[in-house]
Amino acid sequence: QQKVQQSPESLSVPEGGMASFNCTSSDRNFQYFWWYRQHSGEGPKALMSIFSDGDKKEGRFTAHLNKASLHVSLHIRDSQPSDSALYFCAARAQTGFASALTFGSGTKVIVLP
Amino acid sequence: EAAVTQSPRSKVAVTGGKVTLSCHQTNNHDYMYWYRQDTGHGLRLIHYSYVADSTEKGDIPDGYKASRPSQENFSLILELASLSQTAVYFCASSGGGENTLYFGAGTRLSVL
Repeated sequence: QQKVQQSPESLSVPEGGMASFNCTSSDRNFQYFWWYRQHSGEGPKALMSIFSDGDKKEGRFTAHLNKASLHVSLHIRDSQPSDSALYFCAARAQTGFASALTFGSGTKVIVLP
Repeated sequence: EAAVTQSPRSKVAVTGGKVTLSCHQTNNHDYMYWYRQDTGHGLRLIHYSYVADSTEKGDIPDGYKASRPSQENFSLILELASLSQTAVYFCASSGGGENTLYFGAGTRLSVL
């Protein structure tokens, strides 16, 4: 079983709509989470990190973390065609030390014009 | 923005041949990583390095070697390439602390 699991595998959202997807860790050592975005033909790029319970907002993107359940979600408000991409959740056990990230298998988001 | 350059961008190799993938970063980062990407598996860590002349095994190191001759350069070596190693390979670097990874554009490797 993968230590970081994402759902759904893919989703479609109309332009201007809200896209929401999830990530859960099965390893209680994983307390620190990131979201990365990968456009076709490119390398992944970091969107945002979240380390504390609750919401973190950056522009149109809001991440929510529940440490008790090790569940993190990402919500994209006012979705744009440029948001069509593969979104990865990543987690690691420690902060302040560069232990490598463990990635989920990704959620493919398609924004329909 | 942080810069990580991978070469080659694509490669076709024969089964049993030797393949070297190269990565160069100009971020002055201490940490470098090699991941492979396969459909349905996301990104999986192969090898990583905290300092020049030292490498560590990741989650799927079998069949791969790594070399970090300097802070800027990190290579992934497939001594005997196999069909199962067909994938897209990404190099990344990070400066520690919050540990945001900066990825290169990837190398698409096809082993025939």
